[in-house]
Amino acid sequence: NAGVTQTPKFQVLKTGQSMTLQCAQDMNHEYMSWYRQDPGMGLRLIHYSVGAGITDQGEVPNGYNVSRSTTEDFPLRLLSAAPSQTSVYFCASSTAPGPPYEQYFGPGTRLTVT
Amino acid sequence: GQQVMQIPQYQHVQEGEDFTTYCNSSTTLSNIQWYKQRPGGHPVFLIQLVKSGEVKKQKRLTFQFGEAKKNSSLHITATQTTDVGTYFCAGYYNFNKFYFGSGTKLNVKP
Repeated sequence: NAGVTQTPKFQVLKTGQSMTLQCAQDMNHEYMSWYRQDPGMGLRLIHYSVGAGITDQGEVPNGYNVSRSTTEDFPLRLLSAAPSQTSVYFCASSTAPGPPYEQYFGPGTRLTVT
Repeated sequence: GQQVMQIPQYQHVQEGEDFTTYCNSSTTLSNIQWYKQRPGGHPVFLIQLVKSGEVKKQKRLTFQFGEAKKNSSLHITATQTTDVGTYFCAGYYNFNKFYFGSGTKLNVKP
């Protein structure tokens, strides 16, 4: 099993550009989520999904869109990149939120917006 | 909104010394998870606490969940250089969302 995979590993965007961060898991997990990690602020939840076709907002959803057409994939779209979106983005998956299930994180995408 | 506070932000210890990080929530948690992130890496699950007053041990690591399920701690006995990294707690309040603490970055001097 590959676990949770993310592409790309690094990306540089100019302000106003759009792009999609890819996330895939091969563990048949229903719950998937996107976090951003900024220095001194831990991980903040952007969007999450409890199954194919179902998504909801987290703590910091503005400027991001998600969709979940399959169990395996959960892409994150930046609509119009801003320097404030410079961050490390992690995708995570779990059988379900809460006990007894742990979250598995992907390796992350380091995004810089200039 | 929900928030999990974690202290300290940084901890520098000599190898062999103990280390503790604390998480606190203003409202009752359903459960709390702990993760470790090595420098340049991604968070890796360590443990989950569910019951009030629960204590779990993993070798030199001891995890506690408070009686009111509002606080939790991770204690490492006799730190080693392999313990270097950032330790996060993640609180869950039964709304499909985890709220991460800001993390404690542990540096261990050999």
